Amino acid sequence: GAVVSQHPSRVICKSGTSVKIECRSLDFQATTMFWYRQFPKQSLMLMATSNEGSKATYEQGVEKDKFLINHASLTLSTLTVTSAHPEDSSFYICSASDGWNTEAFFGQGTRLTVV
Amino acid sequence: AQSVTQLGSHVSVSEGALVLLRCNYSSSVPPYLFWYVQYPNQGLQLLLKYTSAATLVKGINGFEAEFKKSETSFHLTKPSAHMSDAAEYFCAVSDGGGYQKVTFGIGTKLQVIP
Repeated sequence: GAVVSQHPSRVICKSGTSVKIECRSLDFQATTMFWYRQFPKQSLMLMATSNEGSKATYEQGVEKDKFLINHASLTLSTLTVTSAHPEDSSFYICSASDGWNTEAFFGQGTRLTVV
Repeated sequence: AQSVTQLGSHVSVSEGALVLLRCNYSSSVPPYLFWYVQYPNQGLQLLLKYTSAATLVKGINGFEAEFKKSETSFHLTKPSAHMSDAAEYFCAVSDGGGYQKVTFGIGTKLQVIP
């Protein structure tokens, strides 16, 4: 299958700082990327969907000014958690697809801890 | 709105025994259904998917799942567990087709006992 690389795998940051997470499709063009987060003992929840060159579509309840998503190229999307707080600590995972009706491949995920 | 319920957050089976991971779904339209596996420190990998074709779906690593509309279920099975099957398994549903707006279950951690 196709490879999606997510970086970093783990990050610890201080409260109030910003953290950027990268999601790269290594061997295909990702026209659509998805960002999820998973709190302990809960499901993966879709945060937003981004299409290359367009503004991301955020799910209800997700603050777009706090979770900045950039999908400027067909191989890279970034999620920036701005002014992070301890309650933002979570597992963030991206997936990428080269079309609406084709399989989305997942990155390894990023464990964010805000202290 | 679509949703999935995975019964049992932890399942333990002996090596060689049947693996049965349960998933029930709720969807207002004919769904796409998926099972994903996540090994430690790795991303999610698609095991199999149901997209309104055959109700018995075969996936990778000897897993299969059967779509039962009357029971709104999509349980995952494997006849004989291997140690390498120990992982977390997620059932997911996509409303109305496609891979967008996939809703995941809470996950089931499978332990295989030697």
